[in-house]
Amino acid sequence: QQQVKQSPQSLIVQKGGIPIINCAYENTAFDYFPWYQQFPGKGPALLIAIRPDVSEKKEGRFTISFNKSAKQFSLHIMDSQPGDSATYFCAASYYGGSQGNLIFGKGTKLSVKP
Amino acid sequence: NAGVTQTPKFQVLKTGQSMTLQCAQDMNHEYMSWYRQDPGMGLRLIHYSVGAGITDQGEVPNGYNVSRSTTEDFPLRLLSAAPSQTSVYFCASSEGMNTEAFFGQGTRLTVV
Repeated sequence: QQQVKQSPQSLIVQKGGIPIINCAYENTAFDYFPWYQQFPGKGPALLIAIRPDVSEKKEGRFTISFNKSAKQFSLHIMDSQPGDSATYFCAASYYGGSQGNLIFGKGTKLSVKP
Repeated sequence: NAGVTQTPKFQVLKTGQSMTLQCAQDMNHEYMSWYRQDPGMGLRLIHYSVGAGITDQGEVPNGYNVSRSTTEDFPLRLLSAAPSQTSVYFCASSEGMNTEAFFGQGTRLTVV
């Protein structure tokens, strides 16, 4: 079973801190790496995504760093705010067959303290 | 624009009962899928569909059936509910595989 391994399981930071969530994958065929944000009682929503032709992508305060040789990617949240408190999931997929569907990490529960 | 709509939001079933979780999308997406979310397990794929009339199994298909008669609808049927199927179920749709998936609000199912 192809996997995406996510760490840490939970993370507590102070407001203004920079939480970092890491993911590692095994299948080198993966070519789409999204991060989803989920608030309690809601469905996951796409936060930011990257494809392996770039090593970094920024959208506002959120940055994905991608290391193809290490098969790792991470999410950085700059100047974190209490409103960023949520569960974050990394995922991976590649086009074709059932693997075109997203394979999710187990999630990181982030708490940003005021 | 409603996006992906799931009904019901909450459901309690007795062991052995059957039911259908409804999912509808209004974005004309070809790809639809069902995931279950359990604490500490992330989201795991149950079944998916690449278009009307075409479905396939995901990682955890046992105990569930699906059909896709229209582009808009993708119901998930529990044939004989078991306590192990207590979970939160999410339906998602996307324009294609390997693209952004849009999720519904979820159905919280408890089997007693």
